[in-house]
Amino acid sequence: AQSVTQLDSHVSVSEGTPVLLRCNYSSSYSPSLFWYVQHPNKGLQLLLKYTSAATLVKGINGFEAEFKKSETSFHLTKPSAHMSDAAEYFCVVSDRGGADGLTFGKGTHLIIQP
Amino acid sequence: SAVISQKPSRDICQRGTSLTIQCQVDSQVTMMFWYRQQPGQSLTLIATANQGSEATYESGFVIDKFPISRPNLTFSTLTVSNMSPEDSSIYLCSAGTPNTEAFFGQGTRLTVV
Repeated sequence: AQSVTQLDSHVSVSEGTPVLLRCNYSSSYSPSLFWYVQHPNKGLQLLLKYTSAATLVKGINGFEAEFKKSETSFHLTKPSAHMSDAAEYFCVVSDRGGADGLTFGKGTHLIIQP
Repeated sequence: SAVISQKPSRDICQRGTSLTIQCQVDSQVTMMFWYRQQPGQSLTLIATANQGSEATYESGFVIDKFPISRPNLTFSTLTVSNMSPEDSSIYLCSAGTPNTEAFFGQGTRLTVV
């Protein structure tokens, strides 16, 4: 069985400051891990993915995440928040790889203060 | 990558009626899925749409309530049957392959009154 825990339901940061969204996972296999973003009234867009290559994964819009097997974590970071980053972020795990067998976290709502 | 078009984008329906949501992918994909996102919640997988055969449903979802078709590799429909206000959600189509990430449509925002 696999599961995902997003440790914060809401995160609020000031524009220009760093962003940290925390995610812990549980999986019986070597998992694939993803971060998706959902802007209001929009579909989901892939930010980045980890599939057993480099543990530090760079994504779009300046986001990156580090896979730490010992800590079973896959936290999402960005050095400097922008107002356009305000959205819902989902951490996702899959033990099958690809588009199949996805388990979504409950989501973290990122608020950017001007 | 794949571009997924879903329609309608939103609808308001009377209880007891049914709504069919369409999902079109711009390239051939091996896998298509339907998810539900209840208000303020995360995504829950309803079923895997199988080409030319019955869909594979997750626990808690049944074919009579959510019939799904997938006549070819690029098209699928989800019907929400005999709707009640509890069915008010966003329904999302997803597609991909074993070697790609999942791509998502814009979703269908359904309100049942």
